[in-house]
Amino acid sequence: QQQVKQSPQSLIVQKGGISIINCAYENTAFDYFPWYQQFPGKGPALLIAIRPDVSEKKEGRFTISFNKSAKQFSLHIMDSQPGDSATYFCAASGGTSGTYKYIFGTGTRLKVLA
Amino acid sequence: ETGVTQTPRHLVMGMTNKKSLKCEQHLGHNAMYWYKQSAKKPLELMFVYNFKEQTENNSVPSRFSPECPNSSHLFLHLHTLQPEDSALYLCASSQERGLAGGIQRGANVLTFGAGSRLTVL
Repeated sequence: QQQVKQSPQSLIVQKGGISIINCAYENTAFDYFPWYQQFPGKGPALLIAIRPDVSEKKEGRFTISFNKSAKQFSLHIMDSQPGDSATYFCAASGGTSGTYKYIFGTGTRLKVLA
Repeated sequence: ETGVTQTPRHLVMGMTNKKSLKCEQHLGHNAMYWYKQSAKKPLELMFVYNFKEQTENNSVPSRFSPECPNSSHLFLHLHTLQPEDSALYLCASSQERGLAGGIQRGANVLTFGAGSRLTVL
């Protein structure tokens, strides 16, 4: 019940295309859902986050779509660029998992072709 | 730079060695974390320190020993490791915002360092 399942494991997208990464969770007590972006040789960095009281959050080319009833959320990268090539992790926190204990997905390696 | 600095960036050690990983944060945060990152696995939380007090030990083997002398520094002491301990070890920090009688849930933003790549031979 503490897992966050992420798919796909890897993704190849043409420049200008839309990249979509999906995550699903079980624990309905989770109340914060961030996405982290990790470039090679770097640590993960917060990209965008959402709370379950909204169904969508957009920041520039990055959008989180949240479906509370399905317990799913996804990251959409519009007009994907080669500079977006990185590993993306979804995460969830809150509820009985602890106030600052994030449960991470397994990551999606995105490659955007020029 | 993120404000969280980890040293060394790369470490190779034998199973009988003793070494330490160091993390320093310049963000004024009050919580620090050690995570283990292995290929095709979720980031694994190892330890959490909040105001220098260890508040989480996620069933980590005793061959990993954390130390937090102050809110800005965090160490991970390593001894008699196994080859399966080879991984990227990430340090992170966050600012916990306390409310009366508790801590605001799920609100902290983790700031990660670049990690220490550990290889155990």
